[in-house]
Amino acid sequence: DGGITQSPKYLFRKEGQNVTLSCEQNLNHDAMYWYRQDPGQGLRLIYYSQIVNDFQKGDIAEGYSVSREKKESFPLTVTSAQKNPTAFYLCASMPNRQGDTDTQYFGPGTRLTVL
Amino acid sequence: GENVEQHPSTLSVQEGDSAVIKCTYSDSASNYFPWYKQELGKGPQLIIDIRSNVGEKKDQRIAVTLNKTAKHFSLHITETQPEDSAVYFCAASIGTMDSSYKLIFGSGTRLLVRP
Repeated sequence: DGGITQSPKYLFRKEGQNVTLSCEQNLNHDAMYWYRQDPGQGLRLIYYSQIVNDFQKGDIAEGYSVSREKKESFPLTVTSAQKNPTAFYLCASMPNRQGDTDTQYFGPGTRLTVL
Repeated sequence: GENVEQHPSTLSVQEGDSAVIKCTYSDSASNYFPWYKQELGKGPQLIIDIRSNVGEKKDQRIAVTLNKTAKHFSLHITETQPEDSAVYFCAASIGTMDSSYKLIFGSGTRLLVRP
């Protein structure tokens, strides 16, 4: 998991509530990513950020929001508009924002369950 | 759209035997192909990667081969051990509209090594 931390490890939410997942990295990486993982499926990209104060929608951004006010932090908010939010959420970072041959390093993940 | 297909979805081998996982990608511009190992409840860990300017790369018991013409790449694990049991993901890089890049992941292979 390197220098990427995600909190909390487990999160429970009632329907209709917004919830924010934390992702922090001390690797001085420029780029950060949020993925969603469902059982038996690969990772799907929610949002990504190449630089502070800028972020882009991924393939499944609906019902999610992010911010990138600091280089080391990239929190993800799961809003009540997300129809099926129960999943395992993974944060990743990459050192070079325009390098296309750099590796993404993942955090330990947060498991969100909607009750 | 771009996609990565991964086979098989599950693989069971006897300890000491070899395991092979295969992936096919669709974007001919992809030039970076990492492999991740994910243990239950944890984030994916990079185990090996290959770039498009080489055809094969080896690291102890793990090797990856790349055929750019056929758009195939494979993970080979020799002398498998019970601790190799995990879910393995392949990925391929693709460019984005904002001149950055993202990874497209396969759906994963659950490897079970029987003692």
